[in-house]
Amino acid sequence: GQNIDQPTEMTATEGAIVQINCTYQTSGFNGLFWYQQHAGEAPTFLSYNVLDGLEEKGRFSSFLSRSKGYSYLLLKELQMKDSASYLCAAWDSNYQLIWGAGTKLIIKP
Amino acid sequence: GAVVSQHPSWVICKSGTSVKIECRSLDFQATTMFWYRQFPKQSLMLMATSNEGSKATYEQGVEKDKFLINHASLTLSTLTVTSAHPEDSSFYICSARRLAGAILTDTQYFGPGTRLTVL
Repeated sequence: GQNIDQPTEMTATEGAIVQINCTYQTSGFNGLFWYQQHAGEAPTFLSYNVLDGLEEKGRFSSFLSRSKGYSYLLLKELQMKDSASYLCAAWDSNYQLIWGAGTKLIIKP
Repeated sequence: GAVVSQHPSWVICKSGTSVKIECRSLDFQATTMFWYRQFPKQSLMLMATSNEGSKATYEQGVEKDKFLINHASLTLSTLTVTSAHPEDSSFYICSARRLAGAILTDTQYFGPGTRLTVL
């Protein structure tokens, strides 16, 4: 079956760095997405990786290893507004998004 | 950037009534639109995929006669929840996929969501 695994909850301190891991098993693979979702709101797009390696976008970076079925989202210089759920999703061979359950990130002052 | 709107943003209705939710891509043509449902503290669950001008493809367990989807144009898809019941209360989110020339830009853009409460 198809499956996305990510931690349920993580806690970090304002100003610090946090890495949210995601492992995936899909029927075919056409890329991996990270979305941010604040409570009561729709997800917003953060990143898309289809090639191995690290993509940096400001304070957020996303890494992909296709051979390991593994990705992570790295958040630097954490701010209180980064408190949200972070959803990992992978495109399968039919370009259907397979969603993880999300990682709730709690930022403490 | 690409913008997707949904209307209404929230709706409260009586059990047994029907509710229509609109999803529009404002500045691009969406060949494919997706409808998701999210219950509290759960992940997004895909309900159906719709391609402009053709019938929607429903996920297993989603009743197509209850959740009517119409994708009449490249910028508009509608989801109608027919004979709504309290268990249909949820957050409904649409997304639109824009196909650009390069695969790397082939990304889903999400609408803001519609919170449905059925009394």
